[in-house]
Amino acid sequence: EAGVAQSPRYKIIEKRQSVAFWCNPISGHATLYWYQQILGQGPKLLIQFQNNGVVDDSQLPKDRFSAERLKGVDSTLKIQPAKLEDSAVYLCASSFIDRAMNTEAFFGQGTRLTVV
Amino acid sequence: SQQGEEDPQALSIQEGENATMNCSYKTSINNLQWYRQNSGRGLVHLILIRSNEREKHSGRLRVTLDTSKKSSSLLITASRAADTASYFCATDATSASKIIFGSGTRLSIRP
Repeated sequence: EAGVAQSPRYKIIEKRQSVAFWCNPISGHATLYWYQQILGQGPKLLIQFQNNGVVDDSQLPKDRFSAERLKGVDSTLKIQPAKLEDSAVYLCASSFIDRAMNTEAFFGQGTRLTVV
Repeated sequence: SQQGEEDPQALSIQEGENATMNCSYKTSINNLQWYRQNSGRGLVHLILIRSNEREKHSGRLRVTLDTSKKSSSLLITASRAADTASYFCATDATSASKIIFGSGTRLSIRP
């Protein structure tokens, strides 16, 4: 079974520039998550999609971050304009809900963003 | 916001010893999961324990869950150098199907 695919693996940009990350979840997984992980911290949920609808984006800095999941499959996360504090690893995950209503997430390798 | 808090933040033990990490959380949950993250890599799912379970085993891993105390522990027995990683607990809250992570425990295994 193919895992969650993310690209690019690494990105270095200057502050105030724009950047976009791409995620292809596991086939059939209705739920897709974007997490931000700053060095030394746990992943922080930015946004959660159920199919192509947003379930939770309460932690997403909407003045500069945006995300979409067209057709309920692939997703892109964009930062515009980037700030130094956005330097982090951006993790995409997908999940399904089993019969017992339990959710297990499968993660991609992440995109390491450095803003200079 | 972080749902869980791991304790300790860092742990260094000798190879062959057992490692115990604890996690406390705040809200009612459907399940609690433990993940491992090697430096610079993605998160790997280790084990899931449901809210109606108290203990679960998987190989050298043993997880306990105490919903009355809102806490869980992860025990790794007979540690190996390859166990060096960060370990995170994550909760799937009953109020919404989203997975929220704690701050993690950095485990180092000394040869």
